[in-house]
Amino acid sequence: ETGVTQSPTHLIKTRGQQVTLRCSSQSGHNTVSWYQQALGQGPQFIFQYYREEENGRGNFPPRFSGLQFPNYSSELNVNALELDDSALYLCASSLRLSSTDTQYFGPGTRLTVL
Amino acid sequence: GQQVMQIPQYQHVQEGEDFTTYCNSSTTLSNIQWYKQRPGGHPVFLIQLVKSGEVKKQKRLTFQFGEAKKNSSLHITATQTTDVGTYFCAAYHSTGKLIFGQGTTLQVKP
Repeated sequence: ETGVTQSPTHLIKTRGQQVTLRCSSQSGHNTVSWYQQALGQGPQFIFQYYREEENGRGNFPPRFSGLQFPNYSSELNVNALELDDSALYLCASSLRLSSTDTQYFGPGTRLTVL
Repeated sequence: GQQVMQIPQYQHVQEGEDFTTYCNSSTTLSNIQWYKQRPGGHPVFLIQLVKSGEVKKQKRLTFQFGEAKKNSSLHITATQTTDVGTYFCAAYHSTGKLIFGQGTTLQVKP
């Protein structure tokens, strides 16, 4: 176990709806990254938060947004859900904002969009 | 943009056979990380390689980082059924994001 938790475990939504996914980072970690993993693919970087500020973003549209709170937990919000948003959403925390720090992944939230 | 290519996509081996997955980049990497994802699970960090030509071992797993820091490999000796899963390499982009390869899914027949 990495100490990174995510909720909910599974979620079913319909097209056009909005969803909020939550992540609690490992104790002491101030950096959280979110990834989308479609079936049979590697995780794709969505964005990263460091001390409550967005620190980088992948090729995802603005309807993917996030927050990081003072306790370093984080949320991923997706508006106007599309069928292609069906995926495993992973958050990963790291101790520092560094290219050499290990990222510890949570168990993920499996989102199904019907 | 920076891409990390991983081959093969799938590998089926008989228990006891060896397994190797390869990771290649067109650009020089600052470091490379390897993850294992069991079916239905999440990526679990295995190791990080930083130095040119670095070789690290974890029991039956051997990780190598190329001299030019553009390629890496993971070799498993004498596979076991517990080795089943998808192995990903990942490299840090300059923006700080991890770029994952497509993964190699290993199936081991007992």
